[in-house]
Formats: sequence, C-alpha cells, structure tokens
Amino acid sequence: KAGVTQTPRYLIKTRGQQVTLSCSPISGHRSVSWYQQTPGQGLQFLFEYFSETQRNKGNFPGRFSGRQFSNSRSEMNVSTLELGDSALYLCATSAGLYGYTFGSGTRLTVV
Amino acid sequence: QQQVKQSPQSLIVQKGGISIINCAYENTAFDYFPWYQQFPGKGPALLIAIRPDVSEKKEGRFTISFNKSAKQFSLHIMDSQPGDSATYFCAASSPYGNKLVFGAGTILRVKS
Repeated sequence: KAGVTQTPRYLIKTRGQQVTLSCSPISGHRSVSWYQQTPGQGLQFLFEYFSETQRNKGNFPGRFSGRQFSNSRSEMNVSTLELGDSALYLCATSAGLYGYTFGSGTRLTVV
Repeated sequence: QQQVKQSPQSLIVQKGGISIINCAYENTAFDYFPWYQQFPGKGPALLIAIRPDVSEKKEGRFTISFNKSAKQFSLHIMDSQPGDSATYFCAASSPYGNKLVFGAGTILRVKS
C-alpha cells in the first residue's frame, strides 16, 4: 500500500517568488490536511480539504492557499515568499475524521 | 483553548527504562488524542491514539493513560530501546475542526 507522497522533497526559492507543493494521498483517503513545521513554532495546521472543498483553515496569511482535485490529490501554494516561510511542509491524509497519515514532507528554504 | 501543552522538552532514559511524556489540554471538545513519533528527515508517524471514553490503551511497549477530569494524557514507553530515540508529539483533535493541534514535542534519547 503506497503511502502519502509529497513532491518535491526539497526546494530552494528566493524571497518574493511563489511555490507550489504537491501531495498525493493514500488510495481511498479523501481528506487532505497541510501542516507547517518549524523549530520555533512546531507543527501548525494550515488547511484541510475534503472532496475539493476547504473545510478548515488555520491562522496563516492569505499568501498560503491550497486546492484539492477530483482524484483527492492536493496542492498548496505560497506566494510572495518570505524568509520566515522556510519550513518543512507536511501533508496528512485520512479516510475519515481520524487516523491521519503524514508524508515525509517538502523542505522549503527561502533565501 | 486550542493549546496542547507537552512536557518535558527533552528526556534521556537508559535502555530498558520507562519513558514518560505528559500532555495537557484545555478544550473539552477534543475527542481524539494521538501520539506521533518523528525521526529526522521523516514525517510524523502515528504511534497510538485514544478516545476520551477510555482511560488507558496499550499497544506493545506503548501505553496511553488518559485522565479526562484533569484534561491530561501521557505516553509511557516500556523497556525503552535506542531505536525509540526520536521526537514524540502529542496531539488533540475535535470533530468540529477536523484538524490536529500538536504539543511542542519531546526529544527522547535512549542511552544504550
């Protein structure tokens, strides 16, 4: 059974650029959530999608956005990158409300 | 009300000993309490989880103890092994938000 696949694994971007990260969920998992992990703030919830609808959003600026496709794959986008956006971005998927499985993440470095 | 407080920040245990990590929450709407284990370069992996209608759950060497009245829960790792050295996160979720609120994490080192 394939796990949660996140691409790319590593990214280096310049301040002011934008970036798109991708997440392919486990087959049958329709809920996809995104988290940001940093040494200072820990793991913070970004947003959650189910059946192409955003059901919940965390306390992040509008520069952070996401979407989900009909095959449950999800993308998140960060526009106008800032140095503080450097983090590990994690995708977690679930078949229901509980039992989230995380991917290995995308390490984003903003220079 | 959305916070989950985790302690200690770091923990060193001898091989074969018991590792204990504690968490406390405030939001009584939380109804699912998982523990995650994370190794460097990897995403968090679900270790064990509990619902508030149960006071204890055991899976192998890992046990969650849950105290609903005190709004606290803890992870016990019995017979700790060097391979258990990792960062452990407690979390809580409510059915309203469909999201996990994480503790700050505990870095566990098991000395052989």
